[in-house]
Amino acid sequence: GAVVSQHPSRVICKSGTSVKIECRSLDFQATTMFWYRQFPKKSLMLMATSNEGSKATYEQGVEKDKFLINHASLTLSTLTVTSAHPEDSSFYICSAREGVSAETQYFGPGTRLLVL
Amino acid sequence: AQSVAQPEDQVNVAEGNPLTVKCTYSVSGNPYLFWYVQYPNRGLQFLLKYITGDNLVKGSYGFEAEFNKSQTSFHLKKPSALVSDSALYFCAVRDLYNFNKFYFGSGTKLNVKP
Repeated sequence: GAVVSQHPSRVICKSGTSVKIECRSLDFQATTMFWYRQFPKKSLMLMATSNEGSKATYEQGVEKDKFLINHASLTLSTLTVTSAHPEDSSFYICSAREGVSAETQYFGPGTRLLVL
Repeated sequence: AQSVAQPEDQVNVAEGNPLTVKCTYSVSGNPYLFWYVQYPNRGLQFLLKYITGDNLVKGSYGFEAEFNKSQTSFHLKKPSALVSDSALYFCAVRDLYNFNKFYFGSGTKLNVKP
């Protein structure tokens, strides 16, 4: 099946620093990738949708200058949390869809971010 | 607006017994429904989906789900639970107009005891 990887799996950083999270589709080309945030014991919240070569589409309430998304190739999307603060601590999960009309999203293993 | 609801935060079942994880949906048209499983500190894994066709959908790891239009439900089932099935299960529905957007339920923690 389709495999999506994320790196790093866990990151601890100081408040005010920026953190980059990578999402890769390993065995397929992902025209669209998605970034979710999951709070403890809560469901996933879609943050943004990124299409290769174009600007990401952010969901309402998500600061695009805070969460920078780049989808430079068909197999890689990155999420940069800029000037991270403790309230940004969360579990960030990416997913990828193969093809424009594909119905299923394949999820990465997630990245645990802890901002001190 | 589309949404799904998972009424149970937690389901406990003994190994070998059948299990059911409930999901109801609210969609103005024909729903595209999904089940995902999440193991601790891991991302979500696709289990199965209903798009159209047979109401009983078979998926990975012996799971199946039944689409019931009259009850607007899409319950996840397995005839005989395994301890390794213990995980967090999410029901999701795809937005009818924005195929990129999925609405996830709040999740149900399944505990299978030996």
